[in-house]
Amino acid sequence: GDSVTQMEGPVTLSEEAFLTINCTYTATGYPSLFWYVQYPGEGLQLLLKATKADDKGSNKGFEATYRKETTSFHLEKGSVQVSDSAVYFCALSDLSTSYGKLTFGQGTILTVHP
Amino acid sequence: DTGVSQDPRHKITKRGQNVTFRCDPISEHNRLYWYRQTLGQGPEFLTYFQNEAQLEKSRLLSDRFSAERPKGSFSTLEIQRTEQGDSAMYLCASSLEEGHRTGELFFGEGSRLTVL
Repeated sequence: GDSVTQMEGPVTLSEEAFLTINCTYTATGYPSLFWYVQYPGEGLQLLLKATKADDKGSNKGFEATYRKETTSFHLEKGSVQVSDSAVYFCALSDLSTSYGKLTFGQGTILTVHP
Repeated sequence: DTGVSQDPRHKITKRGQNVTFRCDPISEHNRLYWYRQTLGQGPEFLTYFQNEAQLEKSRLLSDRFSAERPKGSFSTLEIQRTEQGDSAMYLCASSLEEGHRTGELFFGEGSRLTVL
């Protein structure tokens, strides 16, 4: 079945540091890939997406590239801010197995200190 | 507030009791999803509706769980004869019909269930 694996967390960084959160996936078909973010006290929200190989999703300074050869979708940001402190979830949608289900990774807690 | 709302936000119950959660989606969204999230894990898919039709159910949704969306608007998730293993955050999300392709699901803040 489909699965998503994220790097072990939590991640603690100083402001302006470089961020990478690793995500790898297993899918039956050719999935679309997503990163969601959950800020304290809020619901999950879509951060960025990529629907085919070599696509780069980007938003709010975050980027992730769909790498089919390594089945990866790592999240990066060049300079994090305190306001980026949140939980980040990698997810996929695989139309060969479902027309409604998203499969999520376990989440990575990011804390950014001033 | 035009986001997804869930009620109650917190529920503490004793083992064996029944509980019901309600979700009000964004009004123009025809898809509604239920997920369950336990501590330190990502959301796990339970079921989804398109309008009033329940189109898919996960194996996680045992026969003690039932979800409805009677008029294609709000939805309820009922858990009968609760067990301690049911303790989790129950998340509701809504989207337009292509939400699973675009990833544009809008999540509520969740209903936290604690079974004593």
